[in-house]
Amino acid sequence: EAQVTQNPRYLITVTGKKLTVTCSQNMNHEYMSWYRQDPGLGLRQIYYSMNVEVTDKGDVPEGYKVSRKEKRNFPLILESPSPNQTSLYFCASSLSYGLGYTFGSGTRLTVV
Amino acid sequence: KQEVTQIPAALSVPEGENLVLNCSFTDSAIYNLQWFRQDPGKGLTSLLLIQSSQREQTSGRLNASLDKSSGRSTLYIAASQPGDSATYLCAALARDYKLSFGAGTTVTVRA
Repeated sequence: EAQVTQNPRYLITVTGKKLTVTCSQNMNHEYMSWYRQDPGLGLRQIYYSMNVEVTDKGDVPEGYKVSRKEKRNFPLILESPSPNQTSLYFCASSLSYGLGYTFGSGTRLTVV
Repeated sequence: KQEVTQIPAALSVPEGENLVLNCSFTDSAIYNLQWFRQDPGKGLTSLLLIQSSQREQTSGRLNASLDKSSGRSTLYIAASQPGDSATYLCAALARDYKLSFGAGTTVTVRA
């Protein structure tokens, strides 16, 4: 089944403890991106990647890192999480820029 | 910076009524516009994608129109059903590779 898989689905962590949220797609998509969704603010883009080894900042990149070493994987790294990074995170992919997006099921992150 | 607005924020209709959901965007130089559905606690499901050169797209009971010059898109859902209850999001893809979302319209279809 064609899909975008995020792990974990739920995560509670403490301030300052490094964490990684994984994202993997099995559709050979070139374009991948990360979003966070917050009440009243909607979905905002964190980082995106046009292809392997090509990444760029979205609207809210502060406090996040990404890497794209393989086409199928696009992990989101929080080096030192803070409570303001508590949010619902989505990974998405697209065959190429300008085509439709497929979203993962989301990761609900709580930083205490 | 692209701003995407969806009005109304919430909508409640009786079953069988047609739904009209509005989306407006400030920068008309978009690459495409996409409509999504989001169920509570779930991810986003793509409904329709309209390229900038197109005026509308249709899928079953769903029809989406795009008017770039006025910065508007409208999603029509015919003969609504309780299963259509969800939050509907529109997103505009700009030529700087950024996808901007509206805050969504939460639809409740009463049986």
